[in-house]
Amino acid sequence: DTGVSQNPRHKITKRGQNVTFRCDPISEHNRLYWYRQTLGQGPEFLTYFQNEAQLEKSRLLSDRFSAERPKGSFSTLEIQRTEQGDSAMYLCASSLGGLNSPLHFGNGTRLTVT
Amino acid sequence: GENVEQHPSTLSVQEGDSAVIKCTYSDSASNYFPWYKQELGKGPQLIIDIRSNVGEKKDQRIAVTLNKTAKHFSLHITETQPEDSAVYFCAASNTGNQFYFGTGTSLTVIP
Repeated sequence: DTGVSQNPRHKITKRGQNVTFRCDPISEHNRLYWYRQTLGQGPEFLTYFQNEAQLEKSRLLSDRFSAERPKGSFSTLEIQRTEQGDSAMYLCASSLGGLNSPLHFGNGTRLTVT
Repeated sequence: GENVEQHPSTLSVQEGDSAVIKCTYSDSASNYFPWYKQELGKGPQLIIDIRSNVGEKKDQRIAVTLNKTAKHFSLHITETQPEDSAVYFCAASNTGNQFYFGTGTSLTVIP
């Protein structure tokens, strides 16, 4: 399978704990995006990388959130001191970059903060 | 920033009928408009896209139309089948850096 892979698929954690998600993009894609999706809403942009450089971050991304993409391959999204409002589906997508290049999404990591 | 609105939020059609989903956007600089289908427990999957220099694009039972002047675009599904039941999202992008999504349309095809 050469699609975007995300792990874990589900994560349940207690408020205040830290969590980390991983995304493996399509191998030839140099752009990698993180989105958050809550029930009944479309995906909301969080951040994106061009190779290993993080080029843009949404104002939605508080300082408890950090993303990395070492060596321009896989990416991790860490949430520190989780809050119940962080409960959502976290989607990763990759693309070739440039104009008119579509996003290819993974199946997401569903986070539940209790 | 860009604001994408999508209607209706829910849509039920009889199998074999057509379904139409409409989106409007606010940023006249947006020039790329993909549509995604999301099934339960899965990520959104690209089904069709259209660029601003094209007014219509068709792929088998799916078509998308774009009216740049009015800043709206629509998804048309003909001869609907039960497997078309899913949530559909429209999106807009002006640079390929950021994509702005609508709030989704839950389509139910009744056998």
